[in-house]
Amino acid sequence: DTAVSQTPKYLVTQMGNDKSIKCEQNLGHDTMYWYKQDSKKFLKIMFSYNNKELIINETVPNRFSPKSPDKAHLNLHINSLELGDSAVYFCASSLNMMTSGGTMYPGEQFFGPGTRLTVL
Amino acid sequence: GENVEQHPSTLSVQEGDSAVIKCTYSDSASNYFPWYKQELGKRPQLIIDIRSNVGEKKDQRIAVTLNKTAKHFSLHITETQPEDSAVYFCAASKGTGFQKLVFGTGTRLLVSP
Repeated sequence: DTAVSQTPKYLVTQMGNDKSIKCEQNLGHDTMYWYKQDSKKFLKIMFSYNNKELIINETVPNRFSPKSPDKAHLNLHINSLELGDSAVYFCASSLNMMTSGGTMYPGEQFFGPGTRLTVL
Repeated sequence: GENVEQHPSTLSVQEGDSAVIKCTYSDSASNYFPWYKQELGKRPQLIIDIRSNVGEKKDQRIAVTLNKTAKHFSLHITETQPEDSAVYFCAASKGTGFQKLVFGTGTRLLVSP
């Protein structure tokens, strides 16, 4: 009954390698996100997809490439890994819009368990 | 773009005391302000949120207040318990179009028995 799942949970790899992290949500949400949490615990959004379309693309090196094969999946591929890529990567999902008295508001974001990436 | 500042970065209280965490935001168009709790090694989880059409919201021991004029919002935890120990993040979003949450830098709350 896991709502948002990620694999792998831990990823240890050498500099220069290419790796992927997978994310799946079974909540029926239409929007998915990738966040990076560094060693100081700062949470920064990297990408967001709505119905498989890229809608948010923060200032992220183009070594990072998200892919959304369908609404329930958002994967993150990282090329030529660098030491500074070491962090915890969280996937999240939400229903894009909710209405309250005629005003559009965002829905709660549900986070996955995170993938701890260590680049040696 | 939006900028969210959060204070304090660490907060130590005794069990039973109250704890207050404050955030300020820069974009007056922001209208959705969630608070997330992240326990050690776990994922962030929403604990309470407030929308710009209300000034205060309460859920048991947790309350959030919003001052739109000053662009401040605060989390209040009363009767703190050791299990409240965690990192708390505030966030802000415009909520129109596609949501982008901008998070504060986090507050590490430690509740001592």
